[in-house]
Amino acid sequence: QYVLTQPPSASGTPGQRVTISCSGSSSNIGRSSVYWYQQFPGTAPKLLIYKNDQRPSGVSDRISGSKSGTSASLAISGLRSEDEADYYCVAWDDSLSCRVFGGGTKLTVL
Amino acid sequence: EVQVVESGGGLVQPGGSLRLSCAVSGFTFSDHYMDWVRQAPGKGLEWVGRTRSRAKSYTTDYAASVKGRFTISRDDSESSLYLQLNSLKIEDTATYYCVSPSIDEGFDVWGQGTMVTVSS
Repeated sequence: QYVLTQPPSASGTPGQRVTISCSGSSSNIGRSSVYWYQQFPGTAPKLLIYKNDQRPSGVSDRISGSKSGTSASLAISGLRSEDEADYYCVAWDDSLSCRVFGGGTKLTVL
Repeated sequence: EVQVVESGGGLVQPGGSLRLSCAVSGFTFSDHYMDWVRQAPGKGLEWVGRTRSRAKSYTTDYAASVKGRFTISRDDSESSLYLQLNSLKIEDTATYYCVSPSIDEGFDVWGQGTMVTVSS
């Protein structure tokens, strides 16, 4: 259903490092920048990472992004309770001529 | 202050039409690509479509699920974006967000969303 594949859930304890994967193909992640968003219930998404590994001004340096081939990852270190949210990856797909989102990953802080 | 404010959502019957509006302020609207993104209740984000800037000839792209039914337009003189929704289906029920997306930069702005409910 979703062109980009994310695990539906992830979890960690406070202080831990958690990574969320995003798998795509040569027509999207393989040739386009990956972006990551954080969303809390009832609110609009917030950009965490652009251009694969760049953080916008104001985003915590506990957040990092990476990309290799047709996959990308979001890492959150020093996990905090306020990191509990949904996380989405997105990239442009050249074959479909559209932006494609991952299905989202619900992060739980135990 | 940067602001993106959607309006026009509501309840519509299957097969009906609706026009969403998005008013932008605080940045040079004409220089930016603009997207519509939707989110069905309890579901993930779905990109609906894009209009590019004048520099890119205002070209548009749409998701396959809405192509031929939805139309994006913009009025740079009014700093406004529009989404015309025709032939609405129950599965179009969602919160629709107006977005100035990051294009390899840190600037990325979302509105608060407007709810569209398609139901008989």
